[in-house]
Amino acid sequence: TQLLEQSPQFLSIQEGENLTVYCNSSSVFSSLQWYRQEPGEGPVLLVTVVTGGEVKKLKRLTFQFGDARKDSSLHITAAQPGDTGLYLCAGGGSSNTGKLIFGQGTTLQVKP
Amino acid sequence: EAGVAQSPRYKIIEKRQSVAFWCNPISGHATLYWYQQILGQGPKLLIQFQNNGVVDDSQLPKDRFSAERLKGVDSTLKIQPAKLEDSAVYLCASSLWTAREQYFGPGTRLTVT
Repeated sequence: TQLLEQSPQFLSIQEGENLTVYCNSSSVFSSLQWYRQEPGEGPVLLVTVVTGGEVKKLKRLTFQFGDARKDSSLHITAAQPGDTGLYLCAGGGSSNTGKLIFGQGTTLQVKP
Repeated sequence: EAGVAQSPRYKIIEKRQSVAFWCNPISGHATLYWYQQILGQGPKLLIQFQNNGVVDDSQLPKDRFSAERLKGVDSTLKIQPAKLEDSAVYLCASSLWTAREQYFGPGTRLTVT
């Protein structure tokens, strides 16, 4: 069974601080996605990484896929209150069915 | 372009009652997913449709849950009878065939008392 573990589960920081969220597995994934979910809403896709070692940047967010495609990280620079939310990583298998395995999420609170 | 629509947004029922959720995916999206998200956890796939055929229902509790997508467009998910542990947010998502990018609806928050 493929599992994704995220750490930390909760993070409360001040505006302007930097942070990193980790997503780890013992399984290899064909792709890794990061979503952000706000209260009362569904997850919204932030990025998809597919190549081992790939790095993608989205404004102040930097995403990295591990070389072995078993882990990923999300780094936020100079966090803002608008970054508050639940961050979910999701791994895609090799079966090409589109099925995603989600991590349990990291709840981020950025205080002004 | 309209997003994934779900209704109702909230539902409170007593245990052993039945409930149904409705989802209308993004126009043109052949693949539709139903997820269960329990508080404090990530979404768990219940069932995946491609057009009106089931691709994966391995984690659907088939003794009480059922889902259909008769015309390959909108879908309904039913629980009968509901248990306390079914309290969760039920999310619907859609994608182009088996494209990696899934688009989620706002979810239905179910409370079973």
